[in-house]
Amino acid sequence: AQSVSQHNHHVILSEAASLELGCNYSYGGTVNLFWYVQYPGQHLQLLLKYFSGDPLVKGIKGFEAEFIKSKFSFNLRKPSVQWSDTAEYFCAVNSYYGNNRLAFGKGNQVVVIP
Amino acid sequence: GAVVSQHPSWVICKSGTSVKIECRSLDFQATTMFWYRQFPKQSLMLMATSNEGSKATYEQGVEKDKFLINHASLTLSTLTVTSAHPEDSSFYICSAPPGGQGPTEAFFGQGTRLTVV
Repeated sequence: AQSVSQHNHHVILSEAASLELGCNYSYGGTVNLFWYVQYPGQHLQLLLKYFSGDPLVKGIKGFEAEFIKSKFSFNLRKPSVQWSDTAEYFCAVNSYYGNNRLAFGKGNQVVVIP
Repeated sequence: GAVVSQHPSWVICKSGTSVKIECRSLDFQATTMFWYRQFPKQSLMLMATSNEGSKATYEQGVEKDKFLINHASLTLSTLTVTSAHPEDSSFYICSAPPGGQGPTEAFFGQGTRLTVV
């Protein structure tokens, strides 16, 4: 079964600072990788995804993530955060050949101070 | 993007009663839907896979008789928490990937906050 690790559950930073959230997964096969964001009071929304191809993927709102297969990692980055990026961020993974069952990390609670 | 609607958004019920939560895909058909449970400050834990027209597949440790799942149509799955107890209080979220070949993202409902008193 897949498992996903996210570290530093609480992240507090100032506007314009750079953000990087780590995500490591354990699974021996081919995987699909996702970052979801949950703004306060809202449902989970997809930030970006990786299925195949270019390991550097760009998502919405200036976010990007890089898949490093050798490190089993899919870290999320944003060069300059805004107050509106305050949210919880979840990394998720499923098997490329599976039925889309997702395994989630514990999430990162990000607070951006104006 | 595709929309998944979950109802109700929150519910309070008495211990011993049953609660039904609906998950609808509004603009696409979903042969499979997933039910997750989220504890405070923890990850989403997959409870079961809802399969249209057949029995749900439950994850290890999830009581089938406690959490009844029905996927009666290609756009609706329901989760019924039977004989609810305070320890069932949690945030329940459904998701649905659009049907078709190959990998795809899942779309999530807004979640249901269940409080059992």
